[in-house]
Amino acid sequence: ETGVTQTPRHLVMGMTNKKSLKCEQHLGHNAMYWYKQSAKKPLELMFVYNFKEQTENNSVPSRFSPECPNSSHLFLHLHTLQPEDSALYLCASSQGTQPTRNYNEQFFGPGTRLTVL
Amino acid sequence: ILNVEQSPQSLHVQEGDSTNFTCSFPSSNFYALHWYRWETAKSPEALFVMTLNGDEKKKGRISATLNTKEGYSYLYIKGSQPEDSATYLCAWLVYAGNMLTFGGGTRLMVKP
Repeated sequence: ETGVTQTPRHLVMGMTNKKSLKCEQHLGHNAMYWYKQSAKKPLELMFVYNFKEQTENNSVPSRFSPECPNSSHLFLHLHTLQPEDSALYLCASSQGTQPTRNYNEQFFGPGTRLTVL
Repeated sequence: ILNVEQSPQSLHVQEGDSTNFTCSFPSSNFYALHWYRWETAKSPEALFVMTLNGDEKKKGRISATLNTKEGYSYLYIKGSQPEDSATYLCAWLVYAGNMLTFGGGTRLMVKP
């Protein structure tokens, strides 16, 4: 157990649906991240929140909308997705985003496997 | 674009074999190199954080070395066991940056 949970673990949605992914960390961390892993590609950073403020948006399409109501919870709201958005979405947390905070060691959830039909 | 490369992409070994794989990263502005172990259907878990040239870290049968001047790290597994089957990821942290750049991973499969 890494102390980071994600729900749901699997999600199938149509292109017109709206759904949300949820992440929760029980580690007292201040930074949270969304990553995407597509088949045969490295982990791609999508969004970073530090103390509930978004600090990175890695050119992610607006059909992905993150929300961070507090330092322990992170959501990814999905709407009008495309089939190419099918991937594994991983959430992670760290003490902070400064490299001096334990070299930004990140703790990951198990991911949500998303399939867009 | 500054890439992190891992080789090989996948590796099949027999139980008891020792194995090693490579992570290559840009040598400029190096701050830290992370290794993660990722079992199927589980969360990636941190193995090592390496910061100094010549660093060697060990956890049980797994060890890692770091060469920041030439930009590579090796991960070694001695006497592989089926439970070592996983994807091993490395991630590079640039000096004064705050985001990890991940390699594509090496998928290890150990046959009993």
